[in-house]
Amino acid sequence: QSALTQPRSVSGSPGQSVTISCTGTSSDVGGYDYVSWYQQHPGKAPRLMIYDVNRRPSGVPDRFSGSKSGNTASLTISGLQAEDEADYYCCPYAGSSWVFGGGTKVTVL
Amino acid sequence: EVQVLESGGGLAQPGGSLRLSCAASGFTFSSYAMTWVRQAPGKGLEWVSAISGSGGSTYYADSVKGRFTISRDNSKNTLYLQINSLRAEDTAVYYCAKSLLERLSCMDVWGQGTTVTVSS
Repeated sequence: QSALTQPRSVSGSPGQSVTISCTGTSSDVGGYDYVSWYQQHPGKAPRLMIYDVNRRPSGVPDRFSGSKSGNTASLTISGLQAEDEADYYCCPYAGSSWVFGGGTKVTVL
Repeated sequence: EVQVLESGGGLAQPGGSLRLSCAASGFTFSSYAMTWVRQAPGKGLEWVSAISGSGGSTYYADSVKGRFTISRDNSKNTLYLQINSLRAEDTAVYYCAKSLLERLSCMDVWGQGTTVTVSS
């Protein structure tokens, strides 16, 4: 399985927008339209926020959005709120497996 | 309510074995693939293994291939992970997750995890 690159941390003030990138290869991010994003608060289980690049499960606020260009996927949080402070992981399909990015800590200033 | 609940974690010696279980409820278990994901202390998530709804297809991360075996009993709504030849690097919280579809797909419902500690 390949390695994915995410920024270690991003931050923003309440109400601002932040974007997290996830750079892979043509064997994972670039090869399939199956990228998901997970949110994890400390000591808690992960939660699915985005799947199939840009689809939101029911119950996920519409200020979370996903996109992809080439080998890079992105998660954007618009109108940042205090409860959005957490770790975020991208997870693209890599052909008979899934692979997680290293995770990005989002800090709300 | 759709739920999955892991059990079977604990302290085990290097070279030993453990079997993790995941009891599912609130959905038609056989209609969905299931996945194991682990998280070492202070580290990120690592996809470990998955199995199709019928149990006919299994998938493994390279890091565990040959030592881990995933299986399911659809009559008992239970998923399993057999871990052999335990190593210190297997120390982690192991999460069970329901997949979105019958085939290999992303994970939409997660359990709270069961902790495996490998130490002598």
